[in-house]
Amino acid sequence: DTGVSQNPRHKITKRGQNVTFRCDPISEHNRLYWYRQTLGQGPEFLTYFQNEAQLEKSRLLSDRFSAERPKGSFSTLEIQRTEQGDSAMYLCASSLDGFGANVLTFGAGSRLTVL
Amino acid sequence: AQTVTQSQPEMSVQEAETVTLSCTYDTSENNYYLFWYKQPPSRQMILVIRQEAYKQQNATENRFSVNFQKAAKSFSLKISDSQLGDTAMYFCAFIYNYGQNFVFGPGTRLSVLP
Repeated sequence: DTGVSQNPRHKITKRGQNVTFRCDPISEHNRLYWYRQTLGQGPEFLTYFQNEAQLEKSRLLSDRFSAERPKGSFSTLEIQRTEQGDSAMYLCASSLDGFGANVLTFGAGSRLTVL
Repeated sequence: AQTVTQSQPEMSVQEAETVTLSCTYDTSENNYYLFWYKQPPSRQMILVIRQEAYKQQNATENRFSVNFQKAAKSFSLKISDSQLGDTAMYFCAFIYNYGQNFVFGPGTRLSVLP
């Protein structure tokens, strides 16, 4: 297992286009998180899955954003009708279940640039 | 609201010296974990050290140690014998609500100078 994998690493798109990011977590991790990180800031929570169930969504996740985790394995984060304010690094992280096993393992991130 | 504050946006330290990064947090929860994560330039975030809130003993991990003051809601990171490879953004974070929500601070950019 090579850790958390995210693709693409960098996406440049024009305003109004749709983009999709994929995250492959560590295989035995049943929790998967999406965070957004803007330059010089800490990660901001977007959403969280326990297996295939999306258990929580931040108010940052407008209705242009949707995340899925079919079959509890990989996850996708789609942004529709992108805006320049969506430009950021989108981080995926995974962890084991249980309060005591909650160390997040992060992927390298997918950087979105909206022109 | 659950918040994390890191009051030092940037710090620098000479190689081999010791540096302390500060972090304060606000929560009404009793059960939580605290973390320091490191994000080197253009590289992914990795865990530096973790502290369980119910433990009074401060966590240590090689050159990294914490000073956890629960009553003051303070969680500082001490890096001893700083190395050039310690240059990174350092984020303080905590998780509460039985492992569902991680809250990160804004980060401290640490530069280790030769």
